[in-house]
Amino acid sequence: GAVVSQHPSRVICKSGTSVKIECRSLDFQATTMFWYRQFPKKSLMLMATSNEGSKATYEQGVEKDKFLINHASLTLSTLTVTSAHPEDSSFYICSARAGGTFYEQYFGPGTRLTVT
Amino acid sequence: AQSVTQLDSHVSVSEGTPVLLRCNYSSSYSPSLFWYVQHPNKGLQLLLKYTSAATLVKGINGFEAEFKKSETSFHLTKPSAHMSDAAEYFCVVSDAGGTSYGKLTFGQGTILTVHP
Repeated sequence: GAVVSQHPSRVICKSGTSVKIECRSLDFQATTMFWYRQFPKKSLMLMATSNEGSKATYEQGVEKDKFLINHASLTLSTLTVTSAHPEDSSFYICSARAGGTFYEQYFGPGTRLTVT
Repeated sequence: AQSVTQLDSHVSVSEGTPVLLRCNYSSSYSPSLFWYVQHPNKGLQLLLKYTSAATLVKGINGFEAEFKKSETSFHLTKPSAHMSDAAEYFCVVSDAGGTSYGKLTFGQGTILTVHP
């Protein structure tokens, strides 16, 4: 099946700094990528949807100035957590889709962010 | 609007016995339904999906699920559990229309434990 990678797998940063997480589709071109957040013992919550070459669409309650998403190519999307705070600590998961809504989403392994 | 409820946060079975993970959904349109599995430190893997074809859906690793519209349920079953089935399972719904069109909404997850 299609493979999606995330880098880094784990990151620890100090409060007030910014962190960039990469999501790559390794063997297919992803027209759409999604970013999710998973809190401990909780389900995945969709943060935003990004289409290649367009601005990301954020879900209600997600601060677009805090969570910057860039989808500059068909194989790469990045999520930058700006001015991170301890409450931003979470597990961030991306997924990628090769076409329209009936195409399967393939998920990355996730990135564990800890803000100290 | 769409939502999904997984009725059990934890399920524990013995190896070789049947598995039942329960899921109920709510959808304003004809939904697509999915079951994903998440092993520790691994990405989400699609087990099976229902997209308005046969109501009994067979997936990978011997899992299957039945779409019951009258009961708004999509329970996941397996006749005989294997140790390698121990993981967290997510029931997911995607609406065919409305503001949630094409978006995945995840249930809270069910942790399956398999005892020798």
